[in-house]
Amino acid sequence: DTEVTQTPKHLVMGMTNKKSLKCEQHMGHRAMYWYKQKAKKPPELMFVYSYEKLSINESVPSRFSPECPNSSLLNLHLHALQPEDSALYLCASSLRDRGRDGGNTIYFGEGSWLTVV
Amino acid sequence: AQSVTQPDIHITVSEGASLELRCNYSYGATPYLFWYVQSPGQGLQLLLKYFSGDTLVQGIKGFEAEFKRSQSSFNLRKPSVHWSDAAEYFCAVATGSGAGSYQLTFGKGTKLSVIP
Repeated sequence: DTEVTQTPKHLVMGMTNKKSLKCEQHMGHRAMYWYKQKAKKPPELMFVYSYEKLSINESVPSRFSPECPNSSLLNLHLHALQPEDSALYLCASSLRDRGRDGGNTIYFGEGSWLTVV
Repeated sequence: AQSVTQPDIHITVSEGASLELRCNYSYGATPYLFWYVQSPGQGLQLLLKYFSGDTLVQGIKGFEAEFKRSQSSFNLRKPSVHWSDAAEYFCAVATGSGAGSYQLTFGKGTKLSVIP
Protein backbone atom coordinates (compact mmCIF):
# COMPACT_ATOMS: atom_id res chain seq x y z
CA ASP A 1 0.00 0.00 0.00
CA THR A 2 1.58 3.27 -1.12
CA GLU A 3 -1.23 5.63 -0.33
CA VAL A 4 -1.10 9.26 0.70
CA THR A 5 -4.58 10.65 1.34
CA GLN A 6 -5.38 14.33 1.06
CA THR A 7 -8.54 16.19 2.05
CA PRO A 8 -10.38 18.11 0.84
CA LYS A 9 -9.96 17.52 -2.88
CA HIS A 10 -11.32 20.96 -3.67
CA LEU A 11 -11.44 24.09 -1.53
CA VAL A 12 -12.70 27.55 -2.32
CA MET A 13 -11.91 30.22 0.25
CA GLY A 14 -12.10 33.95 0.60
CA MET A 15 -9.08 36.07 1.33
CA THR A 16 -10.14 36.54 4.96
CA ASN A 17 -10.93 32.90 5.67
CA LYS A 18 -8.98 30.39 7.71
CA LYS A 19 -8.93 26.85 6.39
CA SER A 20 -6.73 23.77 6.55
CA LEU A 21 -5.54 21.08 4.18
CA LYS A 22 -4.97 17.63 5.62
CA CYS A 23 -2.70 14.78 4.63
CA GLU A 24 -2.46 11.28 6.03
CA GLN A 25 -0.26 8.26 5.40
CA HIS A 26 -0.03 4.92 7.18
CA MET A 27 3.10 3.57 5.54
CA GLY A 28 5.35 4.32 8.49
CA HIS A 29 7.06 7.09 6.55
CA ARG A 30 8.95 9.57 8.72
CA ALA A 31 9.40 12.36 6.18
CA MET A 32 6.43 14.32 4.86
CA TYR A 33 6.31 17.16 2.39
CA TRP A 34 4.10 19.93 1.04
CA TYR A 35 4.48 20.96 -2.59
CA LYS A 36 2.66 23.67 -4.54
CA GLN A 37 1.92 23.24 -8.21
CA LYS A 38 0.67 25.96 -10.52
CA ALA A 39 -0.90 25.14 -13.87
CA LYS A 40 1.52 23.80 -16.48
CA LYS A 41 4.43 23.93 -14.02
CA PRO A 42 6.30 21.28 -12.03
CA PRO A 43 5.68 21.00 -8.28
CA GLU A 44 7.64 23.34 -6.04
CA LEU A 45 8.73 22.30 -2.56
CA MET A 46 7.23 24.31 0.30
CA PHE A 47 7.97 22.43 3.53
CA VAL A 48 9.67 19.25 4.73
CA TYR A 49 9.00 17.51 8.01
CA SER A 50 11.38 14.83 9.19
CA TYR A 51 10.50 12.84 12.31
CA GLU A 52 7.71 15.35 13.02
CA LYS A 53 10.10 18.29 13.03
CA LEU A 54 10.14 21.02 10.40
CA SER A 55 13.44 20.64 8.60
CA ILE A 56 12.94 22.76 5.49
CA ASN A 57 10.89 25.89 4.84
CA GLU A 58 11.48 27.14 1.33
CA SER A 59 10.86 30.79 2.19
CA VAL A 60 7.12 30.28 2.18
CA PRO A 61 4.97 33.27 3.30
CA SER A 62 3.66 33.08 6.85
CA ARG A 63 0.08 32.91 5.62
CA PHE A 64 0.91 29.21 5.09
CA SER A 65 1.49 27.41 8.38
CA PRO A 66 2.40 23.72 8.43
CA GLU A 67 1.78 21.38 11.31
CA CYS A 68 2.75 17.76 11.91
CA PRO A 69 0.68 16.46 14.87
CA ASN A 70 2.12 12.94 14.61
CA SER A 71 4.06 10.73 12.26
CA SER A 72 1.00 9.95 10.11
CA LEU A 73 -0.56 13.38 9.75
CA LEU A 74 0.45 16.61 8.09
CA ASN A 75 -1.66 19.75 7.98
CA LEU A 76 -1.32 23.00 6.10
CA HIS A 77 -3.14 25.89 7.76
CA LEU A 78 -4.19 28.70 5.45
CA HIS A 79 -4.99 32.26 6.48
CA ALA A 80 -5.36 35.53 4.60
CA LEU A 81 -4.40 33.99 1.28
CA GLN A 82 -4.14 35.87 -1.99
CA PRO A 83 -5.69 34.91 -5.33
CA GLU A 84 -2.21 34.06 -6.64
CA ASP A 85 -2.06 31.29 -4.02
CA SER A 86 -4.66 29.36 -6.01
CA ALA A 87 -2.96 26.13 -7.02
CA LEU A 88 -2.80 22.37 -6.53
CA TYR A 89 -1.26 21.53 -3.16
CA LEU A 90 0.41 18.15 -3.06
CA CYS A 91 1.40 16.19 0.00
CA ALA A 92 4.09 13.53 -0.20
CA SER A 93 5.91 11.14 2.09
CA SER A 94 9.03 9.02 2.00
CA LEU A 95 10.91 6.27 3.79
CA ARG A 96 14.26 4.82 2.96
CA ASP A 97 13.62 1.59 1.07
CA ARG A 98 14.62 -1.51 2.98
CA GLY A 99 15.60 -3.33 -0.18
CA ARG A 100 19.13 -3.78 -1.35
CA ASP A 101 19.01 -0.64 -3.47
CA GLY A 102 18.91 1.41 -0.28
CA GLY A 103 17.21 4.27 -2.03
CA ASN A 104 14.37 6.54 -1.09
CA THR A 105 11.06 6.81 -2.86
CA ILE A 106 8.71 9.76 -2.53
CA TYR A 107 5.00 9.08 -2.85
CA PHE A 108 2.46 11.76 -3.65
CA GLY A 109 -1.20 12.18 -2.81
CA GLU A 110 -3.86 13.22 -5.29
CA GLY A 111 -3.64 16.82 -4.19
CA SER A 112 -6.01 19.51 -2.96
CA TRP A 113 -7.18 22.09 -5.48
CA LEU A 114 -7.31 25.48 -3.79
CA THR A 115 -9.09 28.50 -5.24
CA VAL A 116 -8.80 31.82 -3.44
CA VAL A 117 -11.51 34.35 -4.31
CA ALA B 1 23.34 22.41 -7.62
CA GLN B 2 21.31 19.68 -9.21
CA SER B 3 19.08 20.29 -12.22
CA VAL B 4 16.87 18.32 -14.57
CA THR B 5 16.20 19.12 -18.21
CA GLN B 6 13.36 17.72 -20.24
CA PRO B 7 14.04 19.09 -23.73
CA ASP B 8 10.61 18.30 -25.17
CA ILE B 9 7.72 20.40 -23.92
CA HIS B 10 5.07 18.56 -25.96
CA ILE B 11 5.17 15.28 -27.87
CA THR B 12 2.40 13.79 -29.99
CA VAL B 13 2.41 10.12 -30.99
CA SER B 14 -0.07 7.77 -32.60
CA GLU B 15 -1.60 5.03 -30.55
CA GLY B 16 0.47 1.88 -30.89
CA ALA B 17 3.64 3.77 -31.75
CA SER B 18 6.77 3.65 -29.62
CA LEU B 19 7.65 6.47 -27.24
CA GLU B 20 10.82 7.96 -25.82
CA LEU B 21 10.80 10.92 -23.45
CA ARG B 22 14.15 12.52 -22.81
CA CYS B 23 15.60 13.55 -19.47
CA ASN B 24 19.05 14.91 -18.69
CA TYR B 25 20.26 15.63 -15.18
CA SER B 26 23.10 17.49 -13.56
CA TYR B 27 24.27 16.14 -10.22
CA GLY B 28 27.71 15.50 -8.80
CA ALA B 29 27.12 12.21 -7.04
CA THR B 30 25.19 9.07 -7.95
CA PRO B 31 21.68 10.33 -8.54
CA TYR B 32 18.38 9.00 -7.34
CA LEU B 33 16.21 9.37 -10.45
CA PHE B 34 12.46 9.14 -10.87
CA TRP B 35 9.79 9.41 -13.51
CA TYR B 36 6.33 10.53 -12.41
CA VAL B 37 3.15 10.81 -14.48
CA GLN B 38 0.34 13.27 -13.86
CA SER B 39 -3.02 12.88 -15.56
CA PRO B 40 -5.22 15.98 -15.82
CA GLY B 41 -6.61 16.95 -12.44
CA GLN B 42 -4.64 14.26 -10.64
CA GLY B 43 -1.65 13.97 -8.35
CA LEU B 44 1.72 12.50 -9.29
CA GLN B 45 2.04 8.76 -9.76
CA LEU B 46 5.44 7.11 -9.57
CA LEU B 47 6.27 5.23 -12.79
CA LEU B 48 9.76 4.01 -11.95
CA LYS B 49 12.96 4.84 -10.12
CA TYR B 50 16.70 4.28 -10.33
CA PHE B 51 19.09 4.20 -7.39
CA SER B 52 21.86 1.80 -8.36
CA GLY B 53 22.51 -1.53 -10.05
CA ASP B 54 20.91 -2.52 -13.32
CA THR B 55 20.76 0.57 -15.52
CA LEU B 56 17.58 -0.57 -17.27
CA VAL B 57 14.66 -0.28 -14.88
CA GLN B 58 11.14 -1.48 -15.39
CA GLY B 59 8.13 0.40 -14.14
CA ILE B 60 4.40 0.25 -14.10
CA LYS B 61 2.12 0.47 -17.15
CA GLY B 62 4.76 -1.06 -19.44
CA PHE B 63 7.27 1.78 -19.08
CA GLU B 64 11.02 1.38 -18.77
CA ALA B 65 13.91 3.79 -18.42
CA GLU B 66 17.63 3.51 -19.00
CA PHE B 67 20.23 5.29 -16.90
CA LYS B 68 23.30 6.36 -18.87
CA ARG B 69 25.90 7.94 -16.67
CA SER B 70 28.13 8.94 -19.58
CA GLN B 71 25.31 10.96 -21.09
CA SER B 72 23.73 12.09 -17.79
CA SER B 73 20.45 10.81 -19.13
CA PHE B 74 17.49 8.84 -17.86
CA ASN B 75 15.15 8.47 -20.82
CA LEU B 76 11.70 6.94 -20.49
CA ARG B 77 10.47 4.48 -23.11
CA LYS B 78 7.39 2.50 -23.98
CA PRO B 79 7.18 0.16 -26.98
CA SER B 80 3.49 0.72 -27.72
CA VAL B 81 1.58 3.74 -26.46
CA HIS B 82 -2.06 3.54 -25.40
CA TRP B 83 -4.52 6.43 -25.51
CA SER B 84 -4.66 6.36 -21.70
CA ASP B 85 -0.96 7.28 -21.57
CA ALA B 86 -1.80 10.87 -22.54
CA ALA B 87 -0.59 12.90 -19.56
CA GLU B 88 2.20 15.10 -18.25
CA TYR B 89 5.47 13.31 -17.47
CA PHE B 90 8.01 14.63 -14.99
CA CYS B 91 11.58 13.48 -14.55
CA ALA B 92 13.08 14.23 -11.13
CA VAL B 93 16.31 13.83 -9.19
CA ALA B 94 16.29 13.41 -5.41
CA THR B 95 18.98 14.68 -3.10
CA GLY B 96 19.26 14.07 0.61
CA SER B 97 18.07 16.87 2.87
CA GLY B 98 19.35 15.23 5.99
CA ALA B 99 17.53 13.34 8.73
CA GLY B 100 16.04 10.89 6.27
CA SER B 101 14.23 13.32 4.01
CA TYR B 102 14.84 14.14 0.38
CA GLN B 103 14.33 17.06 -1.96
CA LEU B 104 13.03 16.47 -5.44
CA THR B 105 14.18 18.65 -8.30
CA PHE B 106 11.78 18.31 -11.20
CA GLY B 107 12.18 18.94 -14.87
CA LYS B 108 9.62 21.24 -16.48
CA GLY B 109 7.64 18.25 -17.75
CA THR B 110 6.72 16.80 -21.12
CA LYS B 111 3.12 16.73 -22.19
CA LEU B 112 2.23 13.61 -24.15
CA SER B 113 -0.69 13.64 -26.55
CA VAL B 114 -1.86 10.42 -28.19
CA ILE B 115 -3.65 10.34 -31.55
CA PRO B 116 -6.17 7.49 -31.83
